[in-house]
Amino acid sequence: TQLLEQSPQFLSIQEGENLTVYCNSSSVFSSLQWYRQEPGEGPVLLVTVVTGGEVKKLKRLTFQFGDARKDSSLHITAAQPGDTGLYLCAGGETGGQNFVFGPGTRLSVLP
Amino acid sequence: ETGVTQTPRHLVMGMTNKKSLKCEQHLGHNAMYWYKQSAKKPLELMFVYNFKEQTENNSVPSRFSPECPNSSHLFLHLHTLQPEDSALYLCASSQAGQGILYEQYFGPGTRLTVT
Repeated sequence: TQLLEQSPQFLSIQEGENLTVYCNSSSVFSSLQWYRQEPGEGPVLLVTVVTGGEVKKLKRLTFQFGDARKDSSLHITAAQPGDTGLYLCAGGETGGQNFVFGPGTRLSVLP
Repeated sequence: ETGVTQTPRHLVMGMTNKKSLKCEQHLGHNAMYWYKQSAKKPLELMFVYNFKEQTENNSVPSRFSPECPNSSHLFLHLHTLQPEDSALYLCASSQAGQGILYEQYFGPGTRLTVT
């Protein structure tokens, strides 16, 4: 059974600080996705990474896929209250629709 | 309406009731999904439909019965549920096809409470 772990489980920081959250597995995935979920809403896809070592930037968010395609990180620069939410990672297989989700990192950015 | 919509947003039902959750996607996708999100567990995939045909059933109890009449609509029929079935039920859609990268778009969910 493929499992994804995320750390930290909870993170509370001040506006303007930088942070990194992690997604780890003992399994290899052909793709990895990051989502943000706000209270009362469904997850919203932020990015998909598919190549080992790949780095993608989305404004203040930087996503990295590990060389071995077993782990990923999300770095947020100068966090803002609007970044508050549950950050989920999900691993997938080539041609597969059975994504495995991690338990999430709950981020709170205080003004 | 745009994106993926779900109704109702909140549902309280007794263990002997029968109810249905509805999902509609306005994105032209041809794959639809049901997920369960509990407080203490990661998001769990329940069912997948591609081009109206069920392709995944992740050992879901028979008290949950999905229906996909067309590529835009997905239902989850509920009967004789248990209190531990209380959760947020999320619908998602994506394109489907060989070799594509599945990127799922989620609805806002139905918060279900079983009393």
